[in-house]
Amino acid sequence: DAGVIQSPRHEVTEMGQEVTLRCKPISGHNSLFWYRQTMMRGLELLIYFNNNVPIDDSGMPEDRFSAKMPNASFSTLKIQPSEPRDSAVYFCASSLGRRPNEQFFGPGTRLTVL
Amino acid sequence: AQTVTQSQPEMSVQEAETVTLSCTYDTSESDYYLFWYKQPPSRQMILVIRQEAYKQQNATENRFSVNFQKAAKSFSLKISDSQLGDAAMYFCAIIIQGAQKLVFGQGTRLTINP
Repeated sequence: DAGVIQSPRHEVTEMGQEVTLRCKPISGHNSLFWYRQTMMRGLELLIYFNNNVPIDDSGMPEDRFSAKMPNASFSTLKIQPSEPRDSAVYFCASSLGRRPNEQFFGPGTRLTVL
Repeated sequence: AQTVTQSQPEMSVQEAETVTLSCTYDTSESDYYLFWYKQPPSRQMILVIRQEAYKQQNATENRFSVNFQKAAKSFSLKISDSQLGDAAMYFCAIIIQGAQKLVFGQGTRLTINP
């Protein structure tokens, strides 16, 4: 099994640009999570999906952030426009719905906004 | 709401020695799961060990074991026979039964001295 796949691994962009992060969950998993990791705030859940439906987006910082899951094998997290304070590592994780307590993480995307 | 506190920002240990990482948590729920995740420099989040709150027996995975004190809301991780590959950030986390939101502590950076 390939595990959770994220792309790109690194992204450097300028303030005001649109950024799209991508995630492919483990095949057969029906829950998908987006986390953000910063030095100041640690690891925070941004949003999660069950069966492609967003369930809890209370962690999304503001309207500049949006996430979609058009099918069971793909999700995106978009930031538009990006700001320097969005610089962080963004993780995607997935789990089987019947065992939500086991989340498997991707390698993360390190985002730098200049 | 759940909170997780790791009071040791950094720890160090000599190779082959034993080290214990501390974690306390707060929740009003009675049914939950606790986890230790390891994050090496590669930044991949790796599940080390998990504990179901309803189980009195402490979980063990090879050289890793926990001391779960439910009444005290304490969940420490013991690493025996420390190896250089154990050097990483270690995060304690909690998830409530029926929910899917992992809440993490701030992490402990573990250094292994050869």
